[in-house]
Amino acid sequence: GENVEQHPSTLSVQEGDSAVIKCTYSDSASNYFPWYKQELGKGPQLIIDIRSNVGEKKDQRIAVTLNKTAKHFSLHITETQPEDSAVYFCAAISGGGADGLTFGKGTHLIIQP
Amino acid sequence: GAVVSQHPSRVICKSGTSVKIECRSLDFQATTMFWYRQFPKQSLMLMATSNEGSKATYEQGVEKDKFLINHASLTLSTLTVTSAHPEDSSFYICSARFSTFGNTIYFGEGSWLTVV
Repeated sequence: GENVEQHPSTLSVQEGDSAVIKCTYSDSASNYFPWYKQELGKGPQLIIDIRSNVGEKKDQRIAVTLNKTAKHFSLHITETQPEDSAVYFCAAISGGGADGLTFGKGTHLIIQP
Repeated sequence: GAVVSQHPSRVICKSGTSVKIECRSLDFQATTMFWYRQFPKQSLMLMATSNEGSKATYEQGVEKDKFLINHASLTLSTLTVTSAHPEDSSFYICSARFSTFGNTIYFGEGSWLTVV
């Protein structure tokens, strides 16, 4: 099955700086890579996703890049703000979408004022 | 607004009793629903996958007789924790895949279960 590795487990950045979270996956058949933001006590919120036919996707301050050859994808947050503080999970899905998501272990992003 | 709604958000039950958690997709029909369990400061662990009208597929190590999943319609899936024990206390989260949204998966708000 799929295996997703996520780094770092904790990331602390100054407000206004950029944050980058990286993930690798093992199943070359995986074709959908969402990123979720989870605040304490709440369910994960989809913030951006990318499919295997695209190399990069951007939505305002958030961007995701995908390198299929290397089997890794990254989340980039620019001009970080205090409300960006949360746990971020990357995920991958394969099997033509029939399977559930395989999650990384999460990154606790801390934005220092 | 929310695409997936979960209820209750918090529940406390006594050991030995059963508790049911509902997961509803709002406005759109979900092709597949998933149930996850999450312990504090850990990632989400997939428990089972359910499709409307068929039996759920459980992940290895998840007791199907203890965690009963019913997917009666394209908008409702339920998870029943039977004969609950304190070690079943956890954060349970459902998600749903929507073919309307290109098979994107959205999560519910989660349900905190405390067994006393």
